[in-house]
Amino acid sequence: DAGITQSPRHKVTETGTPVTLRCHQTENHRYMYWYRQDPGHGLRLIHYSYGVKDTDKGEVSDGYSVSRSKTEDFLLTLESATSSQTSVYFCAISGVSGGMTDTQYFGPGTRLTVL
Amino acid sequence: DAKTTQPNSMESNEEEPVHLPCNHSTISGTDYIHWYRQLPSQGPEYVIHGLTSNVNNRMASLAIAEDRKSSTLILHRATLRDAAVYYCILRRGLTGGGNKLTFGTGTQLKVEL
Repeated sequence: DAGITQSPRHKVTETGTPVTLRCHQTENHRYMYWYRQDPGHGLRLIHYSYGVKDTDKGEVSDGYSVSRSKTEDFLLTLESATSSQTSVYFCAISGVSGGMTDTQYFGPGTRLTVL
Repeated sequence: DAKTTQPNSMESNEEEPVHLPCNHSTISGTDYIHWYRQLPSQGPEYVIHGLTSNVNNRMASLAIAEDRKSSTLILHRATLRDAAVYYCILRRGLTGGGNKLTFGTGTQLKVEL
């Protein structure tokens, strides 16, 4: 299994509080991604990173920010959590081989509940 | 981005082959066909991918239509552990680009004894 951990695995918080989710990898892969998954939807990309301090928005980035200060860590921050951000959050990583981005490996997920 | 269409659910008996279809009529010439699956309470995992030719690996086979407008993921002998949501995803083949995957709702595969 790819070395990806997410913390915390479960979190309950209140509306309006800041929340930071952490994704940590031991694979030294260049790309890292944050997705959210809600009932009735597939995974939707929030933000991704293509290198240290290099990030870009995904499909559902409103209300989220990210940071990547070192290769192994990718942080997802909800500045002021809302109930609509209750979801399961998945981190993923991918490397590069043969000049093309490799397949993605996913972490175990973080279940976030915003009351 | 080109979209894929999959049945919402399929059922199979254990140890029988399973053919999971995917339609992608607007696929472009540089789109790779990827399959991921998601077991209950886990993150997705890569299954297989291909461009034009059929592909085999230890998990499954991928059959790609000659016109590339459809593909089929084949599980040769389904087990209870194969019960999962299977996602067919088109990924633009970019050199050095980000691997942004667009997930649909996939096919829920149920495997019965």
